[in-house]
Amino acid sequence: GAGVSQTPSNKVTEKGKYVELRCDPISGHTALYWYRQSLGQGPEFLIYFQGTGAADDSGLPNDRFFAVRPEGSVSTLKIQRTERGDSAVYLCASSLPGGRNTDTQYFGPGTRLTVL
Amino acid sequence: AQTVTQSQPEMSVQEAETVTLSCTYDTSESDYYLFWYKQPPSRQMILVIRQEAYKQQNATENRFSVNFQKAAKSFSLKISDSQLGDAAMYFCAYRSGNTDKLIFGTGTRLQVFP
Repeated sequence: GAGVSQTPSNKVTEKGKYVELRCDPISGHTALYWYRQSLGQGPEFLIYFQGTGAADDSGLPNDRFFAVRPEGSVSTLKIQRTERGDSAVYLCASSLPGGRNTDTQYFGPGTRLTVL
Repeated sequence: AQTVTQSQPEMSVQEAETVTLSCTYDTSESDYYLFWYKQPPSRQMILVIRQEAYKQQNATENRFSVNFQKAAKSFSLKISDSQLGDAAMYFCAYRSGNTDKLIFGTGTRLQVFP
């Protein structure tokens, strides 16, 4: 596709449930990022993939959060035992690897997660 | 740790006028990149402009330009000839030359009045 796509656009779940959020990066982009944007805040980094492997997962808040990218393209962010504090917009971005002029991150429209 | 501060929660400008959004950052690194992203109500972050710290010349993209003051750790965005479509949240972001993650400020909401 032309840009980064994310599904679903909105997700409402109940406290304690499991959710999966999907990101489809720009074709050819090997780097993929997940960010979380709480209401009234800027996005906060969660995890970064280079290819299939997580190169930096230092932003994941706890072990309830996990992300995979098994084939180096689509990524899934998984949240177990959701809590009300997980409610936020989850943004995905992708970029070409490295380089001073080719690593601009292009963002998707995000998934708004609401935990009731 | 690096931090990005946007001290203006909201700004407003008349159509066709010029507005400047402020951003300061804190870092001990010499190799880094700075960005301004626009986030309209659709939520999709759109890159407005980027600046490499090693470049002394201020970046310019059409009506958008920056005032990069490296010693003062200041990175303001100037929007000239403001248009109604410029209304959005604007986020300043920092990226270290050693990592790939972006560190964002809290954003400035820009309103444009006709």
